[in-house]
Amino acid sequence: DAGVIQSPRHEVTEMGQEVTLRCKPISGHDYLFWYRQTMMRGLELLIYFNNNVPIDDSGMPEDRFSAKMPNASFSTLKIQPSEPRDSAVYFCASSFSGVGTEAFFGQGTRLTVV
Amino acid sequence: GENVEQHPSTLSVQEGDSAVIKCTYSDSASNYFPWYKQELGKRPQLIIDIRSNVGEKKDQRIAVTLNKTAKHFSLHITETQPEDSAVYFCAASSQEGSQGNLIFGKGTKLSVKP
Repeated sequence: DAGVIQSPRHEVTEMGQEVTLRCKPISGHDYLFWYRQTMMRGLELLIYFNNNVPIDDSGMPEDRFSAKMPNASFSTLKIQPSEPRDSAVYFCASSFSGVGTEAFFGQGTRLTVV
Repeated sequence: GENVEQHPSTLSVQEGDSAVIKCTYSDSASNYFPWYKQELGKRPQLIIDIRSNVGEKKDQRIAVTLNKTAKHFSLHITETQPEDSAVYFCAASSQEGSQGNLIFGKGTKLSVKP
């Protein structure tokens, strides 16, 4: 397996534009997490899914943020409209609850909103 | 919800010395405590984890201890090497029948000076 795959790796967009980040978890994993990383706030859990169902979205900062998982192999995190303070590295991670509990991270998407 | 505090935020040691990073958590239901290492520009990767039925776990130069009564756990790195320089994150989650969310501390930037 190629691991957790995120796209794009880098995204530069103008304030007010819609941004969509994508994630493909490791095949067979039933948990998927979205994290945001900044120098000031560290690694923040935004939302996580179990079997494609959102379990806890209390970390989503505002209504401008939304996440979906239409099937077991794909998830999106959307920001609309984007703001400069959304600039961060966004990580997707997946894990399997049945055996180990290690969360495997994707390479991350570095988002810059200008 | 769970809150994880991590100290220190930065740590500088001489090569060959030991390094200790400490974390506290708030949710007494948490029972899984992983540690991740993040090298500059890369994704976080698991280096060691411990579950609540174990007080200590060791893997070569890395060890983790857990005190459930006090709700704190620590990472110990002995005989540090320059390649240990990175940001280290502790995390906690509850796995009462399911994965639960993985909440991270804010990280410790470890610098090992040759």
